[in-house]
Amino acid sequence: SQQGEEDPQALSIQEGENATMNCSYKTSINNLQWYRQNSGRGLVHLILIRSNEREKHSGRLRVTLDTSKKSSSLLITASRAADTASYFCATDEGAAGNKLTFGGGTRVLVKP
Amino acid sequence: ETGVTQSPTHLIKTRGQQVTLRCSSQSGHNTVSWYQQALGQGPQFIFQYYREEENGRGNFPPRFSGLQFPNYSSELNVNALELDDSALYLCASSGISGTGGREQYFGPGTRLTVT
Repeated sequence: SQQGEEDPQALSIQEGENATMNCSYKTSINNLQWYRQNSGRGLVHLILIRSNEREKHSGRLRVTLDTSKKSSSLLITASRAADTASYFCATDEGAAGNKLTFGGGTRVLVKP
Repeated sequence: ETGVTQSPTHLIKTRGQQVTLRCSSQSGHNTVSWYQQALGQGPQFIFQYYREEENGRGNFPPRFSGLQFPNYSSELNVNALELDDSALYLCASSGISGTGGREQYFGPGTRLTVT
């Protein structure tokens, strides 16, 4: 079963626009991570936000975390065609090891 | 490039057969996790190995088994293959197990098709 649910499932925007996707989860977490996947290849780690953090930035990426609502958002500013990919949130509940529980992903298409 | 490699890239097997997938972790990483990703879905955790011992398992039957070697590379074995085992199998390595809070570095995956 999957812990998180991403919303929307798919997103189509023009180059230069911002893309926002949301993730909700069900249990307490140690941290939440966002990954990108191009065309069924391996996942690329984007950003990790710990449960005691509320916002984090990395380049054109901004992630927020609201543990009271068990939700997170990923904002990609000034999107580029190369940002076309599937984006997944993954929660680390802090159990033995650092097992990640992924959501179903948001498929983003950035049109040139 | 993450430094995590997987082999083979693609594999076609027949129902009932057995398969072994391989993963080499990133240099310095002692923890390897395996995930199964069905088409159009997010990855699902199969199990994790830390210093050659299983360190957590997801909701997968015992016919999914694994090994980790002294050099921290790992194998995933699946016996009695079923059609539903068709998926992308992802290996991920990370630096420290048990502490949480670590990003994982994924390999490119092995695409398994069971016919």
